[in-house]
Amino acid sequence: NAGVTQTPKFRVLKTGQSMTLLCAQDMNHEYMYWYRQDPGMGLRLIHYSVGEGTTAKGEVPDGYNVSRLKKQNFLLGLESAAPSQTSVYFCASSFALGTGDVLTFGAGSRLTVL
Amino acid sequence: AQSVTQPDIHITVSEGASLELRCNYSYGATPYLFWYVQSPGQGLQLLLKYFSGDTLVQGIKGFEAEFKRSQSSFNLRKPSVHWSDAAEYFCAVGAFSGGYNKLIFGAGTRLAVHP
Repeated sequence: NAGVTQTPKFRVLKTGQSMTLLCAQDMNHEYMYWYRQDPGMGLRLIHYSVGEGTTAKGEVPDGYNVSRLKKQNFLLGLESAAPSQTSVYFCASSFALGTGDVLTFGAGSRLTVL
Repeated sequence: AQSVTQPDIHITVSEGASLELRCNYSYGATPYLFWYVQSPGQGLQLLLKYFSGDTLVQGIKGFEAEFKRSQSSFNLRKPSVHWSDAAEYFCAVGAFSGGYNKLIFGAGTRLAVHP
């Protein structure tokens, strides 16, 4: 099915370990986003990308890095995981970046940092 | 600052009953408003959106929402709830904030449906 695919779906890390979450979309969307979802806080934007080779910070970027080497892929990295990064991470993509544009979301990646 | 408030964290209704989920927003300009649904273990799926025009918007799965500018609200409704509607519902506003366009989400309302 066309859409946004996230891998892995689940991961448990120890404090200080590193990992990368992969997001792939096959809709030829220019814009891609990483959100984190925490109970009672909705979704908060970590980083986003407006095209291949570009990235930008969202509202909660600290502790994360991203890369967009290919248009269809958007990687989210944690260099030194902390318990505060325990969350569900969602990738999304959209055709454009207007305030009215619809985002297509992946199924999420649940990360636990011990 | 732009914000979205969903006053109800949890709502429980009986199957077949009507449903209204509340959403209030704070945004200075004409808002772009969205409702997304998240089923357990799934990503977010768009239910409906409001950009302009008719203030009553129809969405998928029998949902509708009404934009009321005077009340800064965008409440989601369904006349008869089905057990499969049990999920978490997020209201969001498209906003230009912090130098970029983004979606600002409410905290979500978790809906439980009793048989």
